[in-house]
Amino acid sequence: AQSVTQLGSHVSVSEGALVLLRCNYSSSVPPYLFWYVQYPNQGLQLLLKYTSAATLVKGINGFEAEFKKSETSFHLTKPSAHMSDAAEYFCAVSGGSQGNLIFGKGTKLSVKP
Amino acid sequence: GAGVSQTPSNKVTEKGKYVELRCDPISGHTALYWYRQSLGQGPEFLIYFQGTGAADDSGLPNDRFFAVRPEGSVSTLKIQRTERGDSAVYLCASSLSGASTDTQYFGPGTRLTVL
Repeated sequence: AQSVTQLGSHVSVSEGALVLLRCNYSSSVPPYLFWYVQYPNQGLQLLLKYTSAATLVKGINGFEAEFKKSETSFHLTKPSAHMSDAAEYFCAVSGGSQGNLIFGKGTKLSVKP
Repeated sequence: GAGVSQTPSNKVTEKGKYVELRCDPISGHTALYWYRQSLGQGPEFLIYFQGTGAADDSGLPNDRFFAVRPEGSVSTLKIQRTERGDSAVYLCASSLSGASTDTQYFGPGTRLTVL
């Protein structure tokens, strides 16, 4: 069985500060990992994904994530937060051969001016 | 190009009624997924279609829930005898082939409220 744990349901940072959103996974097979962002009243949008190529993955809007097998982690980072980054972020693992995603509970990011 | 669309955007119904939620995937995508997102939770998988067939319906909570995709494009999620606990946002996603590495593209969701 596969699962995802996101530590911190709510993270608040100041504009310009480092963003770090944590994700740990559990998987009995080599995982494929995804980060999605959800803005209010909008659908989920893919930020980045790990599919067993490079362990450091760069995504849209300046976000990146590093796959660390030894720590079973896939934390999302951005060097400098913008007000427009305020949203809810979901980490997900691919659930098997048929690709359905298993999501964490999400982390709501607030950015203070 | 056009993304995934879902109709209606909001649906309010009374307990015990029947509802249908529609999903229009991205043209050419063979894989289609339904998820349910309750307040404060991440999306939970309901059912996966590959073409016209339901390849995995293990996430459907009970036999009141049913989904179809008769022509391999548009899909309809059907809920019979709705209960207050069915209130949630129902999300649809499509991907090119259904491979585990494929990006899933999500629609804006249908917010279902059961009174």
